[in-house]
Amino acid sequence: GAVVSQHPSWVICKSGTSVKIECRSLDFQATTMFWYRQFPKQSLMLMATSNEGSKATYEQGVEKDKFLINHASLTLSTLTVTSAHPEDSSFYICSALTGTGQQETQYFGPGTRLLVL
Amino acid sequence: SQQGEEDPQALSIQEGENATMNCSYKTSINNLQWYRQNSGRGLVHLILIRSNEREKHSGRLRVTLDTSKKSSSLLITASRAADTASYFCATRTSGTYKYIFGTGTRLKVLA
Repeated sequence: GAVVSQHPSWVICKSGTSVKIECRSLDFQATTMFWYRQFPKQSLMLMATSNEGSKATYEQGVEKDKFLINHASLTLSTLTVTSAHPEDSSFYICSALTGTGQQETQYFGPGTRLLVL
Repeated sequence: SQQGEEDPQALSIQEGENATMNCSYKTSINNLQWYRQNSGRGLVHLILIRSNEREKHSGRLRVTLDTSKKSSSLLITASRAADTASYFCATRTSGTYKYIFGTGTRLKVLA
């Protein structure tokens, strides 16, 4: 159980285009999902917290108009990188939260590698 | 920085040896979780230890937690080449939804 999928697994796009990444919890419902960005050989950087039915909470320094998040259902959150530029090239990982209290656990998707030319 | 610290940053051992990684964090927590990440892949959940637990085992993994020192360790016994990966700890600060990740330890197990 606790499987999270991401689609696409990798994408190459031209500068100026928008890219949508989907994150799905396959066998559980997730009120809360997270979006992270990871640069090579570095740890995960939290971009935003996605809450079903409400606006996402963005971390300081993350442009909400640049990285649009929509958590439309309990199993799906999407991240849209708008007007992508080469500096947006990165590895984007989502996670979904399950469990409660001290048993609360994040399960991660396999990641999406974005390359903006 | 809110980020946790892990040490060592990199570790290279021979197959069959034990590998120990340490994680320190800064705030009070509900639980601490360890993850493994193979190169270019997502994170795989390894083990969760609650704030009121001191030690936990799962197969070849042993995790300890010392809340007084705000630190945790992950021990992998009888390591295998397939254990080669980056290992991260993650903590959720009490009262928030945010998880803070450590800087990670890159483990290389030589066959």
